Amino acid sequence: LAKTTQPISMDSYEGQEVNITCSHNNIATNDYITWYQQFPSQGPRFIIQGYKTKVTNEVASLFIPADRKSSTLSLPRVSLSDTAVYYCLVDGGFQKLVFGTGTRLLVSP
Amino acid sequence: NAGVTQTPKFQVLKTGQSMTLQCAQDMNHEYMSWYRQDPGMGLRLIHYSVGAGITDQGEVPNGYNVSRSTTEDFPLRLLSAAPSQTSVYFCASSPLAGDYNEQFFGPGTRLTVL
Repeated sequence: LAKTTQPISMDSYEGQEVNITCSHNNIATNDYITWYQQFPSQGPRFIIQGYKTKVTNEVASLFIPADRKSSTLSLPRVSLSDTAVYYCLVDGGFQKLVFGTGTRLLVSP
Repeated sequence: NAGVTQTPKFQVLKTGQSMTLQCAQDMNHEYMSWYRQDPGMGLRLIHYSVGAGITDQGEVPNGYNVSRSTTEDFPLRLLSAAPSQTSVYFCASSPLAGDYNEQFFGPGTRLTVL
């Protein structure tokens, strides 16, 4: 199972762009990179998924370099409500999902 | 749609007791799974199912049983609770086919075993 490494915590201020980088050196050819967000006392929520280059949706962008050994989740103009834990997963199929300890993002006023 | 629902929200058990955590989804998803989350940790996969009548083990299956008699329901059974099973349990569901392998999670059940 591919393991991911991401910072334990990050701090930011409202209105700033936040970039969370995840390394996944052992990613397999068929694996996707998926990010989830989790608020306290709630289940995780899907944010974005990608295979290579750049993916953008209404809440985030995901940048994946050509070697796919890392990825960066970009949250534009964060607000207080973005304070949460963000998990980077290498997705090789449902039975292979491994959640690491995640990155705790704290957004301050 | 209610999405993924879990009952109960909280439960306290004594060592050796048995109980069933309920999970239901109304999205007609083929895939369902159970995770546990210990304090300060990520989620670990307990069991999963790709359809009615089909289940398989995840990363930490010991001490837990599952069955999938319908598409909607995927209960998790603790046969003889142990303090090491104190955790928050999340159920999730997903369609097998789609643009993304997006899992939809329930609100969780907080279980304490004394």
